Parts: sequence; C-alpha cells; structure tokens
Amino acid sequence: AQSVTQLGSHVSVSEGALVLLRCNYSSSVPPYLFWYVQYPNQGLQLLLKYTTGATLVKGINGFEAEFKKSETSFHLTKPSAHMSDAAEYFCAVSNKAAGNKLTFGGGTRVLVKP
Amino acid sequence: KAGVTQTPRYLIKTRGQQVTLSCSPISGHRSVSWYQQTPGQGLQFLFEYFSETQRNKGNFPGRFSGRQFSNSRSEMNVSTLELGDSALYLCASSFLGDFLNEQFFGPGTRLTVL
Repeated sequence: AQSVTQLGSHVSVSEGALVLLRCNYSSSVPPYLFWYVQYPNQGLQLLLKYTTGATLVKGINGFEAEFKKSETSFHLTKPSAHMSDAAEYFCAVSNKAAGNKLTFGGGTRVLVKP
Repeated sequence: KAGVTQTPRYLIKTRGQQVTLSCSPISGHRSVSWYQQTPGQGLQFLFEYFSETQRNKGNFPGRFSGRQFSNSRSEMNVSTLELGDSALYLCASSFLGDFLNEQFFGPGTRLTVL
C-alpha cells in the first residue's frame, strides 16, 4: 500500500519569497513521485516527476523537488514566488506495479501576497 | 494538438438518478483514467481503461462503472446517485498508460447531486 501526506493544507507566501511545500510518502516498493498543480476550474497539470536517477528534479515554472529516500520526502520548492503561482498543489505517488494509478496527498493551497 | 475534453462540464442530478460522463483523450492516447475529487476525500482513483479493457480499479462501489470505445473515448456511469457522489470528476489520458508517460488531465465534470 502507498500513501502521501502533505503538511499544511494552506500556505501563504509573499511575492518574491521562497515557496516550500512538504510531501512525505509511504511505499513498500520503490516509489515514483509527482507534483501536480491545479488552477481554479481546471484540471491537473504535471509540474515534475521522479522515477529513477537524479534525485533533484527540475520542473516547469521554476519549480524543483528533491527525492530523499531516508526521509521518505519529496518536497517542492521555488526560490521566488510569483503571483501566478497561486493555486493548489498535489503530491502523488505511484510505483511500477500500479501503472497509471496515482495516490494523491490532500493538497496544499498556496496564496501569494503582493 | 487538442487537449483532453470532458463533457458536460457541469451537471445537476437528483438522488436515485443515473449519470453518464464523457471523456475524449488526446489523439493517439490509448489510456484513460478517471478520478473523483471531493473536499473531504480529495483525489481518488476510480479506474483506468487501456485499449477498451479495464486495467486497474479503485475502491469504489459497483454503482460506478466505465467503458472505453475503439476510438479511446471513455464514459463513466454512476447509477443510483447519492448526495455523496457530488464531486469533480477528472479524466486523464496518456499514450501507453504507464508511469513513464505523462498523464494529461481534462478540466473535469462537476456533478452536483440534490
């Protein structure tokens, strides 16, 4: 079985400040990890994913995440927040056997203050 | 290339009725997955279809069913609607249907059950 915990359902950051969204996972087999973003009235858009290889993953819109096996974490960061980053962010886990089945965390809504 | 389209975008039904939602994947994609998104339960996997066969299934009652046609378009059906079925239903398509292929999400169908 696998699960995802996102710490903080709401995060408020100032424009230009660091964005840090926390994600911890549980998986009995090597995980594949994803971050998605959802804007109001839209579907999910993939920001980045980790499958194998380099543990620091760079994604779109300046986001990156680091896979830390020892901490079972996959935190998402962006050095400088922009107003357009206001959205809800979801961490998800899958594995080779699960194929396309994603298990999502509860989501973190990001508010960017001017 | 057109994205994933879902119809209708909004739907209002009453308890006991049944509903059919439609998803047209990106051209060439053979895998379609369905997810339910609610404030209380978050994003939950319903099922995945690949080449007209259900390949994976989540933990939902039998009232939830789906199918996929030869052109990869998919429908999901919910019979005997309950108030708790009110949700945003998202579908996602991918080329081959494994973790190596990005899943592209549609904008969703918002179902309200009165």
